[in-house]
Amino acid sequence: SAVISQKPSRDICQRGTSLTIQCQVDSQVTMMFWYRQQPGQSLTLIATANQGSEATYESGFVIDKFPISRPNLTFSTLTVSNMSPEDSSIYLCSVEVEARSVGELFFGEGSRLTVL
Amino acid sequence: AQKITQTQPGMFVQEKEAVTLDCTYDTSDQSYGLFWYKQPSSGEMIFLIYQGSYDEQNATEGRYSLNFQKARKSANLVISASQLGDSAMYFCAMGDGNQFYFGTGTSLTVIP
Repeated sequence: SAVISQKPSRDICQRGTSLTIQCQVDSQVTMMFWYRQQPGQSLTLIATANQGSEATYESGFVIDKFPISRPNLTFSTLTVSNMSPEDSSIYLCSVEVEARSVGELFFGEGSRLTVL
Repeated sequence: AQKITQTQPGMFVQEKEAVTLDCTYDTSDQSYGLFWYKQPSSGEMIFLIYQGSYDEQNATEGRYSLNFQKARKSANLVISASQLGDSAMYFCAMGDGNQFYFGTGTSLTVIP
């Protein structure tokens, strides 16, 4: 397994501002992901954070809105830029651990953002 | 096409009783993994149990067991001896080596 720490755990933000979420893992991992969970919804993959290169974004998500950094194998950040109320969600960092034939996915505690 | 289907938006169970949360999946891959996560109101996603597609025995982790029926493509979660702290959202997920797919979740309420 992996222990994943996310900061902040929650925040209330003003429209038009940006917020950076940090994700720290207790071991080196290759695959790190960022998910969004809008209220009452399931999880949607935003992007895969690649170490040493640009993140790989899913359809509907762009780098200008959700810039991601991955400076090393234990840390990543997600910035939610120019926020609007529609960005109010739980943002979850996750890592894939190759423990069995198929990797297992572990999550941080999540960052609950409310945009006013 | 939806990869993971959870047909129960909400479930209720009496404390100390067992409850089954349904999950069906769709894949043509031979190698895949099935997962269940618990999400309390705090928002964190807690890993509960894993079942590999080649595992012949059903996975068990304490009070959690996974009823894996490969031919039916179902991976139901069974929680035995429910506790008040089990009240949460439960998500079924599948990993195929490329991506992870999540169901829409089931809200479980344990009644004292």
